Amino acid sequence: DAKTTQPPSMDCAEGRAANLPCNHSTISGNEYVYWYRQIHSQGPQYIIHGLKNNETNEMASLIITEDRKSSTLILPHATLRDTAVYYCIVKHTGFQKLVFGTGTRLLVSP
Amino acid sequence: KAGVTQTPRYLIKTRGQQVTLSCSPISGHRSVSWYQQTPGQGLQFLFEYFSETQRNKGNFPGRFSGRQFSNSRSEMNVSTLELGDSALYLCASSQGQGAGDTEAFFGQGTRLTVV
Repeated sequence: DAKTTQPPSMDCAEGRAANLPCNHSTISGNEYVYWYRQIHSQGPQYIIHGLKNNETNEMASLIITEDRKSSTLILPHATLRDTAVYYCIVKHTGFQKLVFGTGTRLLVSP
Repeated sequence: KAGVTQTPRYLIKTRGQQVTLSCSPISGHRSVSWYQQTPGQGLQFLFEYFSETQRNKGNFPGRFSGRQFSNSRSEMNVSTLELGDSALYLCASSQGQGAGDTEAFFGQGTRLTVV
């Protein structure tokens, strides 16, 4: 499984965009980039995933670099409820195993 | 559509006992995975079941086992409980089919405390 590197913590002001980076330099061609978040003591929540194109849904946008070695999760207008640990995961297609790292603890402040 | 349901939500057991946790996946999902979360080790993959067969297994001792039934519901069992087994146990369900890739949806977890 490819490993990911994320900053341990980030701060964001409420209403501003939160840009969470992830490095996955050893990703292979059949591996997807997934983002999950976990609010304290709850089960992880799926946010978005992509292979090589940028993706957007109602929660966030995912920007993957052309060489696929890094990506950025963008929460366009962060709210206090977005305070959570965000996990960037690289997953082999067809397999359900998720390898969680330590994630980025995002704190959104008023 | 109902989400992933895990029962019980909380459990207290004594060292040496065994425990069975249950997970009902989202309707139509055939893959169920189990994870253990502890403050020291974070979220770790235990195993995955698809159509009643274990497809993948993490690096846990044989005391940890699981099974999946024909209706896709899954159980995991931990025998001879140790204090270090105290953790939040999470279940995730997904369609598990091959074409494209599909996200997993997690339950709220079962918090197991071993005393």
